[in-house]
Amino acid sequence: NAGVTQTPKFQVLKTGQSMTLQCAQDMNHNSMYWYRQDPGMGLRLIYYSASEGTTDKGEVPNGYNVSRLNKREFSLRLESAAPSQTSVYFCASGWTSGGAWNEQFFGPGTRLTVL
Amino acid sequence: EDQVTQSPEALRLQEGESSSLNCSYTVSGLRGLFWYRQDPGKGPEFLFTLYSAGEEKEKERLKATLTKKESFLHITAPKPEDSATYLCAVLSNYNQGGKLIFGQGTELSVKP
Repeated sequence: NAGVTQTPKFQVLKTGQSMTLQCAQDMNHNSMYWYRQDPGMGLRLIYYSASEGTTDKGEVPNGYNVSRLNKREFSLRLESAAPSQTSVYFCASGWTSGGAWNEQFFGPGTRLTVL
Repeated sequence: EDQVTQSPEALRLQEGESSSLNCSYTVSGLRGLFWYRQDPGKGPEFLFTLYSAGEEKEKERLKATLTKKESFLHITAPKPEDSATYLCAVLSNYNQGGKLIFGQGTELSVKP
């Protein structure tokens, strides 16, 4: 099992450019999440998908869009990148049992710099 | 509003010097508390889940405990390879969809 995979690992964009971060999981998890991690700010939730076919905003959704392509894949799109979106982006997936939410498993991250 | 605070921000230990990391939380009904380890340049790695006060979990030199207001991650006789940032996160009744609220983390450095 590869767990949670993310592409690309590194990316440099110019202000105004667009890009899509890809995430896939092979653990048959229902829920998937996108976080950003900035120094001194901790991990903050951007968007999540509690189950296939649903997406919801997290704490910091402005400037981002997401697509739950299927149960395995959850992508994050920056339509017009801004320097404030320079960050490390993590995708995670999680599972439920008996209606209870359990731990999330994280990918290796994408390091994005916007110039 | 759900909130998680970790202390200290940074901790330096000598190899073999036991200590504890603290995670204080205020949530509207705790459904789970999670500990993760994060190495530089990598994603968080899951360590433990605690669901109710009084619960304890152990893994090698690490032991996590939970009360109604806080959790501790006890590190016994740490080794240099235990150096990492340790993250605490909570899942509450208010946050549906399995959303976690993370603390800022404690950066642990263990010197030989």
